[in-house]
Amino acid sequence: DIVMTQSPDSLAVSLGERATINCKSSQSILFSSNNKNYLVWYQQKPGQPPKLLIYWASTRGSGVPDRFSGSGSGTDFTLTINSLQAEDVAVYYCQQYYKTPHTFGQGTKLEIK
Amino acid sequence: EVQLVESGGGLVQPGGSLRLSCAASGFPFTSYGMHWVRQASGKGLMWVSRINSDGSVTTYADSVKGRFTISRDNAKNTLYLQMNSLRVDDTAVYYCARGGINCISGNCYSYGLDVWGQGTTVTVSS
Repeated sequence: DIVMTQSPDSLAVSLGERATINCKSSQSILFSSNNKNYLVWYQQKPGQPPKLLIYWASTRGSGVPDRFSGSGSGTDFTLTINSLQAEDVAVYYCQQYYKTPHTFGQGTKLEIK
Repeated sequence: EVQLVESGGGLVQPGGSLRLSCAASGFPFTSYGMHWVRQASGKGLMWVSRINSDGSVTTYADSVKGRFTISRDNAKNTLYLQMNSLRVDDTAVYYCARGGINCISGNCYSYGLDVWGQGTTVTVSS
């Protein structure tokens, strides 16, 4: 199975500042036939199901604010949240969609400093 | 409105069985692969199972293989998860989710779980 490891486990960022979350896969998740990295980022707020933020490592999902961006390729990926807003407090998960089992990272809890 | 609504959760004794259902609406159900994902209280997400659009291909996490069966009834726009030989560590909120598809220049590619239900709670306890 592909192991997904996120860092840090938690972080606190001031309102209006930038938050950065990292995700590393145990093997490359770059699909050669379409040159897409099968890496997905989700946001989960308390009491709610996850919400897709970013797919193919850098493509924003429908209706996702442009302060959320994703980058990276191969095995190393980053979710960046610019100008942090209060409503961004959540747990963020990465997931590889390259092959089954579609494993998730352990999650990163984002709080306001 | 695109919607997934799970049902069927509850309290069951170890070794027992439950069948979860997920009713889909607002989109062409027959065009999408579907998934189950679970989350134990206070814990992270765990992918459980996947079924392709016509139900011919299924995949499972090792921890549920041989005990859980995913299926779908495309005439009823409904996804199922039959859970047998339940264990205490199967206790979780179970979400159904749609496998998103993005088509570029006539080629369609999956990309992640783009629609989620609110979840149904399964508690395995004596």
